[in-house]
Amino acid sequence: SYVLTQPPSVSVAPGKTARITCEENNIGSKSVHWYQQKPGQAPVLVMYYDSDRPSGIPDRFSGSKSGNTAALTITRVDAGDEADYYCQVWDRTSDYVFGAGTKVIVL
Amino acid sequence: EVRLLESGGGLVQPGGSLRLSCAASGFTFSTYAMTWVRQAPGKGLEWVSVINDSGSHTDSADSVKGRFTVSRDNSKSTLYLQMNSLRADDTAMYYCARIRVVGAEPFDFWGQGTLVTVSS
Repeated sequence: SYVLTQPPSVSVAPGKTARITCEENNIGSKSVHWYQQKPGQAPVLVMYYDSDRPSGIPDRFSGSKSGNTAALTITRVDAGDEADYYCQVWDRTSDYVFGAGTKVIVL
Repeated sequence: EVRLLESGGGLVQPGGSLRLSCAASGFTFSTYAMTWVRQAPGKGLEWVSVINDSGSHTDSADSVKGRFTVSRDNSKSTLYLQMNSLRADDTAMYYCARIRVVGAEPFDFWGQGTLVTVSS
């Protein structure tokens, strides 16, 4: 089955940059989407098709993909960015797959 | 404004059944595929089921296949999840989400979820 590997947590100081990775051997052939989930809230789409940003999402959020790794980068991090972030792909045999999630901790 | 409102969750005994609903508004429901995603307490997101815009095609995760059935009523703009033979590990928050078409599209809007607890 298809497994997306994310680090459990990323710690970042306010004003700095957080980079959340999502790894899989064949991720280069997949479209990667990213969701933000704050405590007690539903997930929100923050990036789709690797690097497209939905309307209403600040341009501090950006997406990229290279080799076996997709990444969500948040610049000028503030306390409001503290959340769990999930990557997700669709695979013809595994259907919809989520990574295990990365908790972004703002120090 | 797109709105998705889940209902029907609650406490059910192992082996029991429950039907979840997701009432949609703010968009043309009949032109979008829809999906269910669940999240066990303290755990990550797990995809459950998807249905295309007309309801003619459905698919489910292996963990629920044969027990859960997704359906929709486009005349009522409502999505359903019939859950049978419930087990303790089905305990989770269940979210409905919109997806443009079945496939590599993102889940662009989510409801607030409804909690299902399976316990004796």
